[in-house]
Amino acid sequence: AQSVTQPDIHITVSEGASLELRCNYSYGATPYLFWYVQSPGQGLQLLLKYFSGDTLVQGIKGFEAEFKRSQSSFNLRKPSVHWSDAAEYFCAVVPPGGSYIPTFGRGTSLIVHP
Amino acid sequence: ETGVTQTPRHLVMGMTNKKSLKCEQHLGHNAMYWYKQSAKKPLELMFVYSLEERVENNSVPSRFSPECPNSSHLFLHLHTLQPEDSALYLCASSQDRSRSTEAFFGQGTRLTVV
Repeated sequence: AQSVTQPDIHITVSEGASLELRCNYSYGATPYLFWYVQSPGQGLQLLLKYFSGDTLVQGIKGFEAEFKRSQSSFNLRKPSVHWSDAAEYFCAVVPPGGSYIPTFGRGTSLIVHP
Repeated sequence: ETGVTQTPRHLVMGMTNKKSLKCEQHLGHNAMYWYKQSAKKPLELMFVYSLEERVENNSVPSRFSPECPNSSHLFLHLHTLQPEDSALYLCASSQDRSRSTEAFFGQGTRLTVV
């Protein structure tokens, strides 16, 4: 079945440490790829997106993501985490072909220790 | 503030009640969406409206009834709900339904069915 997977339910890092959140997809062709963040009690906010071109994408709040076709992955990274980054992170894909119907991963909860 | 406003933010209703959730966007978008976010489950797309016409209905029970009177407003009418319907209901909008357009989310309505 076509899907998007976020293998880590929770990630705990110390403030100032680097971060990588994993996202894998299973589609025959490259989908459109998105990362969203959800702070407690809030809706989802787009961090970045990838459609084509440069496989390293820069987003807001110091986040970046790298598309790796060979691994069907779109991992989110940040070199130095701030306490305010504690939130739920969702990877989403829009399958190739057809119109905009995004599929979301289950989310990864980021906990930041001082 | 994303430009998508949902009211109310919190709602507690009995199983025999009838209530409505409201979503409003002033972004000039043509597509609007209802999502259900339950604990420990992926975001579930419920309904999609494009230019006020329903284009997607993901096997949602008839106790949920959407209404889109114009491109700026979207409602979700609720009646005879079950406790398992308790969740965060998120509204989103996008410029159109092309694959490259991002979705803007409201803050959600936290619904509790008692």
